[in-house]
Amino acid sequence: EVQLVESGGGLVKPGGSLRLSCATSGFTFSDYSMNWVRQAPGKGLEWVSSISTGSSYIYYADSVKGRFTISRHNAKNSLYLQMNSLRAEDTAVYYCARVRVGSSGWPFLDFWGQGTLVTVSS
Amino acid sequence: DIQMTQSPSSLSASVGDRVTITCRASQSIDSYLNWYQQKPGKAPKLLIYGGSTLQSGVPSRFRGSGSGTDFTLTISSLHPEDFATYYCQQSYTTPTYSFGQGTKLEIK
Repeated sequence: EVQLVESGGGLVKPGGSLRLSCATSGFTFSDYSMNWVRQAPGKGLEWVSSISTGSSYIYYADSVKGRFTISRHNAKNSLYLQMNSLRAEDTAVYYCARVRVGSSGWPFLDFWGQGTLVTVSS
Repeated sequence: DIQMTQSPSSLSASVGDRVTITCRASQSIDSYLNWYQQKPGKAPKLLIYGGSTLQSGVPSRFRGSGSGTDFTLTISSLHPEDFATYYCQQSYTTPTYSFGQGTKLEIK
């Protein structure tokens, strides 16, 4: 059974840092690109960052570029998000999600974790 | 950046009703369009990918259609468990993505 379990969320002051983790099981982690997606309270989904299988290709949303760093450890089947210089508008539930590519080449996010809440407040 | 716009933002319907949700892309995205269902306090769940391909295990009452810039999600006959928020997502610009703002489907 595919499982993704996020951890590391919590309350942090503006300007502070936090590191999120996503532990995975039930699939060959090193075969899949991974994403972070967030959802502010009562709001919609916002894509945050993507990382390729071997970490060669990394992308960020403009809203987090220069402040957040995505990484992965394939031997530990884990994904990470280092968040620095946090702002109130970063308050959200952060989900990790697996990217799968269908037979016709269309990518989609087929498995998601349960999310971890990050609250940025003084 | 490709903007995704869903309509309506909210919708009231009854069990057994047929409902349609629309998603429009700011430029052509071929069939790189996915639909997700999210219930309160839960992670999104993939329903449809590639514009019209049903994810394994998703009931056949869900149907996706469209290509280019205009897409629809149709639920042929609402079940009680279908009341949720639905999001479209474009994957044309993979590995970057964007979502629609969501459509909240409520019980009338």
